[in-house]
Amino acid sequence: EAQVTQNPRYLITVTGKKLTVTCSQNMNHEYMSWYRQDPGLGLRQIYYSMNVEVTDKGDVPEGYKVSRKEKRNFPLILESPSPNQTSLYFCASRTGMVAEAFFGQGTRLTVV
Amino acid sequence: GENVEQHPSTLSVQEGDSAVIKCTYSDSASNYFPWYKQELGKGPQLIIDIRSNVGEKKDQRIAVTLNKTAKHFSLHITETQPEDSAVYFCAGQGAQKLVFGQGTRLTINP
Repeated sequence: EAQVTQNPRYLITVTGKKLTVTCSQNMNHEYMSWYRQDPGLGLRQIYYSMNVEVTDKGDVPEGYKVSRKEKRNFPLILESPSPNQTSLYFCASRTGMVAEAFFGQGTRLTVV
Repeated sequence: GENVEQHPSTLSVQEGDSAVIKCTYSDSASNYFPWYKQELGKGPQLIIDIRSNVGEKKDQRIAVTLNKTAKHFSLHITETQPEDSAVYFCAGQGAQKLVFGQGTRLTINP
């Protein structure tokens, strides 16, 4: 089954404790992105990648890092999480710029 | 870069009536406009999309219209049903990024 898998689905952590949210897709897609969803603000892009070892900042990259060492994986790293990073996070992948984006199930992160 | 504005933020309609959600975009070079539906506890899923060389597209009860001159596009849902209740997002494809609107929470009242 074609899918984008994120882990974990839920995470509660403390300020400053490094964490990684994993994202994997099995569709051989070139493009992958990370979004955060906040009430009233819609989906805002954090980082995107157009291919292996090619990543770029989205609209809200501060406090986040990503890597794309393999085509299927695109982890999101929070080196020192802060409470304003409490949000619902989505990973997405697609074959190209003018193509359907497939989203993961989401990761609800709470930073206390 | 691209900026997408979406209205209304919430919409409540009676079952069987039509629902319309509107979006405007800023980048005249944008050429792809998808609509996504997000059900509770799930990730967004594509329901319909339109490219800039087309003015209207229909898929059963769902239609999208695009006015390139005015830089706005709309989602129309006819004969609404309870399963249409969800959050809907419009999006515009800018130079490198897919930019989403703020979302519309649609509630279908029985």
